[in-house]
Amino acid sequence: DTGVSQDPRHKITKRGQNVTFRCDPISEHNRLYWYRQTLGQGPEFLTYFQNEAQLEKSRLLSDRFSAERPKGSFSTLEIQHTEQGDSAMYLCASSLVKGGYPEAFFGQGTRLTVV
Amino acid sequence: AQSVSQHNHHVILSEAASLELGCNYSYGGTVNLFWYVQYPGQHLQLLLKYFSGDPLVKGIKGFEAEFIKSKFSFNLRKPSVQWSDTAEYFCAVPGGSYIPTFGRGTSLIVHP
Repeated sequence: DTGVSQDPRHKITKRGQNVTFRCDPISEHNRLYWYRQTLGQGPEFLTYFQNEAQLEKSRLLSDRFSAERPKGSFSTLEIQHTEQGDSAMYLCASSLVKGGYPEAFFGQGTRLTVV
Repeated sequence: AQSVSQHNHHVILSEAASLELGCNYSYGGTVNLFWYVQYPGQHLQLLLKYFSGDPLVKGIKGFEAEFIKSKFSFNLRKPSVQWSDTAEYFCAVPGGSYIPTFGRGTSLIVHP
């Protein structure tokens, strides 16, 4: 158990519906990342937060995607008007940044299937 | 920004065979390199990391990797694989702002 938990583990939704995923990082970690992973590919960076501030967003993060981290604790990733191409594993990771490279710890992911 | 490439996408071995998975990185100043593993149904976890010093890095579960600067490589090795090593293996570098940036991954299947 890494300490990063994601909910739900699996989500099946119809095209056009909105979905929201939650990530609870390791409690003392100040940085939180979201990644997307499709079959046969490595995790692709989507966005990250340092405390409650969203500091960087990948160009993969279309306008239909929004992420929040209120109060710098848990985070949510919402996808509006889902498309079949959104089907993927969505991974969350957290790390503690305090000098030097911050090792990232990953959750087990949320597998999204859009039908 | 730094990036990594993994050229072996699928590897199939028998138990006790030796393993070497390739990883090449793009030059970008200070080199930090990582190998992550993802066992079936489990989360990504760090196998080993290189920051500086001894280019031969030992990791968990008998894995090691060698940083060869002249070849821009950081290949993962294990002398004798086990069925339980069946997993996806990812090479990674810290991109801008220390954001982990992953290669495409190698799927390893070990037959008992």
